[in-house]
Amino acid sequence: NAGVMQNPRHLVRRRGQEARLRCSPMKGHSHVYWYRQLPEEGLKFMVYLQKENIIDESGMPKERFSAEFPKEGPSILRIQQVVRGDSAAYFCASSRTAEGGTDTQYFGPGTRLTVL
Amino acid sequence: AQSVTQPDIHITVSEGASLELRCNYSYGATPYLFWYVQSPGQGLQLLLKYFSGDTLVQGIKGFEAEFKRSQSSFNLRKPSVHWSDAAEYFCAVGFTGGGNKLTFGTGTQLKVEL
Repeated sequence: NAGVMQNPRHLVRRRGQEARLRCSPMKGHSHVYWYRQLPEEGLKFMVYLQKENIIDESGMPKERFSAEFPKEGPSILRIQQVVRGDSAAYFCASSRTAEGGTDTQYFGPGTRLTVL
Repeated sequence: AQSVTQPDIHITVSEGASLELRCNYSYGATPYLFWYVQSPGQGLQLLLKYFSGDTLVQGIKGFEAEFKRSQSSFNLRKPSVHWSDAAEYFCAVGFTGGGNKLTFGTGTQLKVEL
């Protein structure tokens, strides 16, 4: 039973390029979450999605960042025109349900983005 | 807004010694509480969780945590630390109506001396 899959594991981009991060949730999970971990910090919530819907994007920067979770395929976190401050580890998590407001989230290995 | 505080940034213990990692949260209602462990370059692994019921929770790898409502704490403990426990530990909180997002503490880096 595969866990949460993320790719690529490492991504290097130059300033101004686009970064596209992919996340495949655990089998049977329909809820996906993205978190960002800046160096020497904890994880910060970015966005929560269900299939074809963004449920909560309160942690997403207003510009350049977008996320989707299509009916088929992985969830995508897209960062346009990357800047050095976007360098971080981006973690995806998934859960089976959202009962009671919170269900256990299982995390992927993360994508480490480096912006040159 | 809810917040999570892990007051110890770094902790060093000797192998075989007991361990307690502190976690305090700020939120009015009963939260959902989690401890995750992160090894270098890896993702987060769930150690244990508290949703309701017995306030002493058992997790994997011999860890346990106790929810103390009066102190707004959820400290992680292990009676005898192994060298392989060296990692970073994160406390996280969620709550009903919070949109499923978790708020994480800044983490405690555990070093184990042989």
